[in-house]
Amino acid sequence: SQQGEEDPQALSIQEGENATMNCSYKTSINNLQWYRQNSGRGLVHLILIRSNEREKHSGRLRVTLDTSKKSSSLLITASRAADTASYFCATESGSARQLTFGSGTQLTVLP
Amino acid sequence: DAGVIQSPRHEVTEMGQEVTLRCKPISGHNSLFWYRQTMMRGLELLIYFNNNVPIDDSGMPEDRFSAKMPNASFSTLKIQPSEPRDSAVYFCASNLGNTDTQYFGPGTRLTVL
Repeated sequence: SQQGEEDPQALSIQEGENATMNCSYKTSINNLQWYRQNSGRGLVHLILIRSNEREKHSGRLRVTLDTSKKSSSLLITASRAADTASYFCATESGSARQLTFGSGTQLTVLP
Repeated sequence: DAGVIQSPRHEVTEMGQEVTLRCKPISGHNSLFWYRQTMMRGLELLIYFNNNVPIDDSGMPEDRFSAKMPNASFSTLKIQPSEPRDSAVYFCASNLGNTDTQYFGPGTRLTVL
């Protein structure tokens, strides 16, 4: 079953605008990660936030985590056409090392 | 580093045939994961290995699926016999067991006719 559910399922914006994607999950987590997948390619890790962190930045990416609401958001600032991809959140829980992925948000950045 | 290597990249086969997917993890990584991605079910973990030992295979759909990791640099996922509903993209990923980030291969797109 999907631990994380992304919202929206699809997002289309103009180049230069900011893109915000949300992820909700159901159980307690150790960390939450965001991955990007370009069409026909494998997933690429973007950023990880641990359960005791509330916000993290990496370049144009900003991730927040609200463990009380079991939700996270990924903000991409000043989007570029090259940011067009699917974005997945993934959670790691308990002692297991495996990740449980959400259903993804398809982001389209129009030039 | 070449990253995670998967072969073949594309496989088209007929129902009932045996299919073998291959994965070479990043050198030095001791955990390996097999995922399946479909439009309907998204990305599902099938099985993962730690130090070549299967740790959790609860995601393997049925007995037609089997996975092995004979050494630290090679793993296979076998489907025998294959069925049309097995059509999907199969990803292999690896990482160091004490880290959290997973590194994905390019995937194998399997089509079972």
